[in-house]
Amino acid sequence: NAGVTQTPKFQVLKTGQSMTLQCAQDMNHNSMYWYRQDPGMGLRLIYYSASEGTTDKGEVPNGYNVSRLNKREFSLRLESAAPSQTSVYFCASKSLAGVGLIGETQYFGPGTRLLVL
Amino acid sequence: EDQVTQSPEALRLQEGESSSLNCSYTVSGLRGLFWYRQDPGKGPEFLFTLYSAGEEKEKERLKATLTKKESFLHITAPKPEDSATYLCAVQAWDNQGGKLIFGQGTELSVKP
Repeated sequence: NAGVTQTPKFQVLKTGQSMTLQCAQDMNHNSMYWYRQDPGMGLRLIYYSASEGTTDKGEVPNGYNVSRLNKREFSLRLESAAPSQTSVYFCASKSLAGVGLIGETQYFGPGTRLLVL
Repeated sequence: EDQVTQSPEALRLQEGESSSLNCSYTVSGLRGLFWYRQDPGKGPEFLFTLYSAGEEKEKERLKATLTKKESFLHITAPKPEDSATYLCAVQAWDNQGGKLIFGQGTELSVKP
């Protein structure tokens, strides 16, 4: 199993350009997440999809849109990139809660490094 | 508001010098506390999940413990390959979608 894969690995954009970050998982997980990681800020949730067909905003959703294409794939779109969106973007996935609804582990992809000039 | 604070921000150890990393949390009902390791240029790699106060888990030179207010990641006789950033995250019972709240991480450097 490849786990969680992300494309591209690195991208440079000019202010105002658009792009879509792709994420796919082969673990048959129901929930998928997009985070951004900035120095000194930790990982912050942008959007998530608790199950196929649903998406919800996280902590920092402004300037982003998402699409849960199917159970495997969850994409993040920047419609008009801004320098403030320069960051490292991580996708993660997890299965549904098990017996007792205990906390479930999220598994992360390798990240996409985005530079907006 | 759910919050996670990790300390110290950076820790430099000599090989074999044991120490602990701290993760203090405030959450409205802890569903799970997670430790991850992150190497430069890579995604976070899962280490441990702790569910209730008093619980402990071990993996090689790492041992994670949990109280009602904080978690510790103890590193015994560290080696240079243990150098990485260690991330702590919590999941609350009342959040929807299984969201995680992350701390800022502790950057560990182990010198030979």
